[in-house]
Amino acid sequence: QSALTQPASVSGSPGQSITISCTGTSSDVGGYNYVSWYQQHPGKAPKLMIYEVTNRPSGVSNRFSGSKSGNTASLTISGLQAEDEADYYCSSYTSSSTLFYVFGTGTKVTVL
Amino acid sequence: QLQLQESGPGLVKPSETLSLTCTVSGGSITSSTYYWGWIRQPPGKGLEWIGRIYYSGSTYYNPSLKSRVTISVDTSKNQFSLKLSSVTAADTAVYYCVSLNYYYYYMDVWGKGTTVTVSS
Repeated sequence: QSALTQPASVSGSPGQSITISCTGTSSDVGGYNYVSWYQQHPGKAPKLMIYEVTNRPSGVSNRFSGSKSGNTASLTISGLQAEDEADYYCSSYTSSSTLFYVFGTGTKVTVL
Repeated sequence: QLQLQESGPGLVKPSETLSLTCTVSGGSITSSTYYWGWIRQPPGKGLEWIGRIYYSGSTYYNPSLKSRVTISVDTSKNQFSLKLSSVTAADTAVYYCVSLNYYYYYMDVWGKGTTVTVSS
């Protein structure tokens, strides 16, 4: 299964902004606006943070925003807070003949 | 508000079949808005998509697991289930059930997850 590529780790100080990239292909990230992002704290289930590239579910802080350019999607966290320290996964629909849905490799966000 | 809850044995012997059930509450499993899916996460690793089912019974499985996976739905109980046969230690993981938006392919509700260990 071909996963979307994310940096293993990203860090920032409180109040700063960080961006996590998610690189795929024209068969997934680049071809469809079905990219979503999930936050996972240790020992907890993932939580939906962004869907359809840019949309935030009700209750998710507006400090989280999503975007896409070509085959790369991005999640930006502005005004970084200690509670943002977690793992983040991107995902996308894929038109691959053997796959239906693909996850990113995951990024550990550390608040310094 | 839609909620999902996994249930099943936490310990399975090698070569046996792992069986889990997800109970849907706060909504109907026959909703046209959702697929119902299973995802797993081995210890210290990332998320892996196992498969999904629509209330009509149509399924899709991860090709890497397809020969061992069966997902079924019981609309009378508002539940869907996962069976994974011939398990090995590599199948040890936290298993999550999820609702997957039918139109826009995002998972908006996750169960809390259940840990399954494969060991004799």
